[in-house]
Amino acid sequence: QKEVEQNSGPLSVPEGAIASLNCTYSDRGSQSFFWYRQYSGKSPELIMSIYSNGDKEDGRFTAQLNKASQYVSLLIRDSQPSDSATYLCAVTSGGSNYKLTFGKGTLLTVNP
Amino acid sequence: DADVTQTPRNRITKTGKRIMLECSQTKGHDRMYWYRQDPGLGLRLIYYSFDVKDINKGEISDGYSVSRQAQAKFSLSLESAIPNQTALYFCATSDTGGYTFGSGTRLTVV
Repeated sequence: QKEVEQNSGPLSVPEGAIASLNCTYSDRGSQSFFWYRQYSGKSPELIMSIYSNGDKEDGRFTAQLNKASQYVSLLIRDSQPSDSATYLCAVTSGGSNYKLTFGKGTLLTVNP
Repeated sequence: DADVTQTPRNRITKTGKRIMLECSQTKGHDRMYWYRQDPGLGLRLIYYSFDVKDINKGEISDGYSVSRQAQAKFSLSLESAIPNQTALYFCATSDTGGYTFGSGTRLTVV
């Protein structure tokens, strides 16, 4: 069973700080990596995708991928209370570029 | 209207009853998925379909069945519901990128 592991959390940061969320995966054949945000009782929402090693920035979000270490992370700069949510790491696995395996998520709380 | 619509939004059913959860999408995607989400266990794949004639089991398919009636419609059935199938169920679709999720169905089996 291919696995995706995330910090168990919860992670608490003050408003304006950088939140760092980490994820490791076991399938060396994984090609695509995603971060989803999920508010309580709501559906997951895609916020970042990354496919090659290095950094990818989108606004206050930066995704980092290191395939050799089988590690992907999400940095949230200038964290806002509205960023408080569970963040899910998802990785393609099982030899398919379209079937995702999800981590259990990290709960982030941003304190005003 | 939402791109991925799930019905019902909430359902309470009794043990042993048959229940169907429905999903329809307007995104024109070929690939559709059913996941369940449980506290502490995350999202787990039940079934997936890469086109109308392709149905595949996920990691937790026992006790579930699916039907892909059309490109836009993918239904999940619980033939004889049991209490440990109480969960939040999500349908999702994908094209070349990540998934788009429906709003979910909260199912309670009593």
